[in-house]
Parts: sequence; C-alpha cells; structure tokens
Amino acid sequence: ELKVEQNPLFLSMQEGKNYTIYCNYSTTSDRLYWYRQDPGKSLESLFVLLSNGAVKQEGRLMASLDTKARLSTLHITAAVHDLSATYFCAGSNFGNEKLTFGTGTRLTIIP
Amino acid sequence: GAGVSQSPRYKVAKRGQDVALRCDPISGHVSLFWYQQALGQGPEFLTYFQNEAQLDKSGLPSDRFFAERPEGSVSTLKIQRTQQEDSAVYLCASSQLGGNYEQYFGPGTRLTVT
Repeated sequence: ELKVEQNPLFLSMQEGKNYTIYCNYSTTSDRLYWYRQDPGKSLESLFVLLSNGAVKQEGRLMASLDTKARLSTLHITAAVHDLSATYFCAGSNFGNEKLTFGTGTRLTIIP
Repeated sequence: GAGVSQSPRYKVAKRGQDVALRCDPISGHVSLFWYQQALGQGPEFLTYFQNEAQLDKSGLPSDRFFAERPEGSVSTLKIQRTQQEDSAVYLCASSQLGGNYEQYFGPGTRLTVT
C-alpha cells in the first residue's frame, strides 16, 4: 500500500528566501502530484510528474521527481506572501487512479 | 468551462440523521472520486467511479457510507445515521481517462455533525 510522507509539516520563511519541501513515498508510484490548498478552499493542481527525472516549473515553484529515491521535491524561489498556503503531494499507480496524499506542508511567508 | 461543483457547501446534521452530498463533475470526465478531509489533515480516499461502475470503495469507513453514480455523471455520497466522527470536508474530484489522469477538485461540502 502506498504511503506518502512530507516534511516539514510547518514552514515559516521570510520573503525573498528559497526553500524546499520534500515528499517521500513508500512503494512504486507511477504518478506524483502537487496541490495547493488555501484556508477554507479546495485543492488547486500545481504539477503532475510522470517519469523519473521529470522537472516542471511555474513561476517561483519548481517540482522534480526521482523515482529511484522515491522522492519528489517542491522548490520555492524568492518566496512572496502570495505563496502562503498548504501544499500537498500525492501519488497514484497505473490501474488504480486513487490519490494517496501526504499530510501537507503549511507554508507561511513572513514579510 | 465549468469546474466540479458540489452541494450543499455546508451541512449541519444532528447525530443519527442521514445526509446526501452531491457532486457534478466536469462534463465528459469519466472518472469521479470522493475524498474525506479532516481538519488539518490531507484528503483520504473514499471511493472511485469510472462511468457508472464503482471500481474501488475500499476507503469507505463503514457500511453507513454509500455512493452512487447511476448515469455516469452526477454522483451522490450518502451517510446514514451520522456520527460526530463523520464531521469533515467531503471533496469530489473528476478526471479524464488517459493522459496524466489529473484530478480536478470541487469546493467541497463541510459536514458538521452535532
């Protein structure tokens, strides 16, 4: 059974700094997703990573996938306040599309 | 086009009442999912449909939970004899078959059982 762990669970960072959120998973995961959730809101899809070595970037966020290490990272560059949210990674496997989520990383950007 | 919609957005039920939560997926999306999100936690899978077929219901926590999608479009999640531990946000998501299987989430229904 797929298990997904994220760290850190909480992250406060100053505007302008860089940081990385880590997502480890326990068994083979064919697809890795990153979502953003604002308080009281639903989940917004950020990235879908399908293959080893995949890297995707959107604005100040960059996600990567290392299937051999069973690790995905979400890197934040020069953080701005608007990025404050909870970020979830989730995995799934071919043949069963259900998503298994990590516990989330609650990111707070301090001016 | 329109995204995934859910109704009601908020529901307060007294313990022991039955509730029905509705999900309208994105038009043309074959797959539909239900997740439960407790406060401060990540979403947890409940059940999954492909068209009208319920392919996986392994996440339903008890036989009080029942989901259906009779015509392969709108889905209803029903909870019978609600308990306080059922209080959570219930999220619905839909996806196309194939491609990257990206799931698009609705706004959720916040259920509070008193």
